[in-house]
Amino acid sequence: DIQMTQSPSSLSASVGDRVTITCQASQDISNYLNWYQQKPGKAPKLLIYDASNLETGVPSRFSGSGSGTDFTFTISSLQPEDIATYYCQQYDNLPRTFGQGTKVEIK
Amino acid sequence: QVQLQESGPGLVKPSQTLSLTCTVSGGSISSGDYYWSWIRQPPGKGLEWIGYIYYSGSTYYNPSLKSRVTISVDTSKNQFSLKLSSVTAADTAVYYCARDPYGDYEGWFDPWGQGTLVTVSS
Repeated sequence: DIQMTQSPSSLSASVGDRVTITCQASQDISNYLNWYQQKPGKAPKLLIYDASNLETGVPSRFSGSGSGTDFTFTISSLQPEDIATYYCQQYDNLPRTFGQGTKVEIK
Repeated sequence: QVQLQESGPGLVKPSQTLSLTCTVSGGSISSGDYYWSWIRQPPGKGLEWIGYIYYSGSTYYNPSLKSRVTISVDTSKNQFSLKLSSVTAADTAVYYCARDPYGDYEGWFDPWGQGTLVTVSS
């Protein structure tokens, strides 16, 4: 299985801050990497697919980049409604696998 | 707009079989454009993909669960189902169903059902 390692596991930032989460794959996955947002008690929501493509309706403050083994997810200006846990997920190989998640809180 | 809804018992005894159904509305499970996946999340933990099924009945199961998992599809009811046998407390989780595009270069989950908590306890 491809292991996905996210960092940090949690972070605390102020409203308006730039927030960056990284995801590292255990092998080259090209750009076959997605990002999800999960708010407490809710199902995950797809934000970014193919490493950098913003899902329709997702605010432009969210972005993703990277290829190969190293990927970055960025919130350009943190908003109160962005409080959630964020997960990366690869689909280069089966089984599909997720990172362990990054919990984002407001300072 | 496609919606998915999980249903099934919220409490299962150890060693028994967990059974859940996902009902798809707003679109046909037989369209051929998608796989249909099950994903679970133990309380306070991360996400684990269980496996998927295509409308034809072809499946792929996560090797970590393969010996205990069966996913089936009922196209007449626009539903697909999950069975997980010999459950233990470690199988306590929120179980989600989700849609997954069919294709070599697509593999994201969207949309998801709301999830259903299954507790394994005597």
